[in-house]
Amino acid sequence: SSELTQDPAVSVALGQTVKITCQGDSLRTYYASWYQQKPGQAPVLVIYGTNNRPSGIPDRFSGSSSGKTASLTITGAQAEDEADYFCNARDSTGNQALFGGGTQLTVL
Amino acid sequence: QVQLQESDPGLVKPSETLSLTCTVSGGSISSSRYYWGWIRQPPGKGLEWIGSIYYSGSTYYNPSLKSRVTISVDTSKTQFSLRLSSVTAADTAVYYCAREVDMASMPYFDSWGQGTLVTVSS
Repeated sequence: SSELTQDPAVSVALGQTVKITCQGDSLRTYYASWYQQKPGQAPVLVIYGTNNRPSGIPDRFSGSSSGKTASLTITGAQAEDEADYFCNARDSTGNQALFGGGTQLTVL
Repeated sequence: QVQLQESDPGLVKPSETLSLTCTVSGGSISSSRYYWGWIRQPPGKGLEWIGSIYYSGSTYYNPSLKSRVTISVDTSKTQFSLRLSSVTAADTAVYYCAREVDMASMPYFDSWGQGTLVTVSS
């Protein structure tokens, strides 16, 4: 399969928990990574290997995976978490990198 | 801390070839742990992977762009480059270079350049 699907937009109340999902057949084979992108900035890696955080990423960010769905969870969302979030993984052949269409997160 | 910096071609005319170079500093471009990739983002849209290259010159490309894309590497200059031929307005985008960690079933892009806007227009 050569597609990763994300919901276009999600909202969360300040301090609450939100889950952003990414679906694709290749997620049964390849772990997803997640990127945060704020307006006018380059994407920043927030989760890799399904649930590993790079140095400097707050521990309110976590990841999980089940079947063909990968999820990014923000526990206790902050105003500064408002951004676009993209998932990424290889396709089923391993020969192509895929990105999901992105989810715009609004913190209310 | 590795840093990546794209060159700035700015405006490219339709049907011409877009050329970009990414300069890597603060880390080795010849490490066996990494691929070096190009990703683009049309204004207001999502990310599209273009292709990646290993320090040895081994490449893999997005099938939808493969006929028009060439990625090369110059380890002596710690640079890798993108050429995209026969461009149209649809190729207008912010182009990012990024380091791809090559880890079996969990590859990921851990460092990104700031991006450069390339506009295709006559």
